[in-house]
Amino acid sequence: NAGVIQTPRHKVTGKGQEATLWCEPISGHSAVFWYRQTIVQGLEFLTYFRNQAPIDDSGMPKERFSAQMPNQSHSTLKIQSTQPQDSAVYLCASSLDITGSQNTLYFGAGTRLSVL
Amino acid sequence: AQRVTQVQPTGSSQWGEEVTLDCSYETSEYFYRIFWYRQLFSGEMVFLIYQPSFDTQNQRSGRYSVVFQKSFKSISLVISASQPEDSGTYFCALSELGTNTGKLTFGDGTVLTVKP
Repeated sequence: NAGVIQTPRHKVTGKGQEATLWCEPISGHSAVFWYRQTIVQGLEFLTYFRNQAPIDDSGMPKERFSAQMPNQSHSTLKIQSTQPQDSAVYLCASSLDITGSQNTLYFGAGTRLSVL
Repeated sequence: AQRVTQVQPTGSSQWGEEVTLDCSYETSEYFYRIFWYRQLFSGEMVFLIYQPSFDTQNQRSGRYSVVFQKSFKSISLVISASQPEDSGTYFCALSELGTNTGKLTFGDGTVLTVKP
């Protein structure tokens, strides 16, 4: 059973360009989470979906960032007009559910975004 | 608000030694879980073990175990018979079950080096 798959592993964009990051959760998992990791801020929660519905986007920057989950097999994180401060490792995780003993998050290997 | 603190930015051990990594947390919830993850040098986050707040028994999984001191809001990860392959960054994370989100709040991590 494959784990969480994130593509691409590395992405380099120029300032002002758009970046789309992809995540394929573990099959059968109902919850998908996005986190951002930087040296300065550490691991920060961005947003999550449950059964494809957006539940909590309290960690998402209000401008330029958006996330979608058009079907149960993938989610995307889109950053418009990328800025150097968006450079980070973006981690996607999925869990069987969010309640009870099923809320263990399993992470992908991350996408390292570099904005030049 | 929840907060997770890992005061040891780095740690080291010799092959075969037992290693203890410390974590403290703040939460107003009664039901919560504390997770431990290891981040490989590739960036992948690997789930190791979790401790539910309502379980007084320290959890164990293979060479990993925890020492849970609920009244002090602290938890330690113990790695027995450490190996060089255990080197990496270890993260402690809090999930508050009362909020029913499955969202994790992470500490800053401890970089462990196991010397051969």
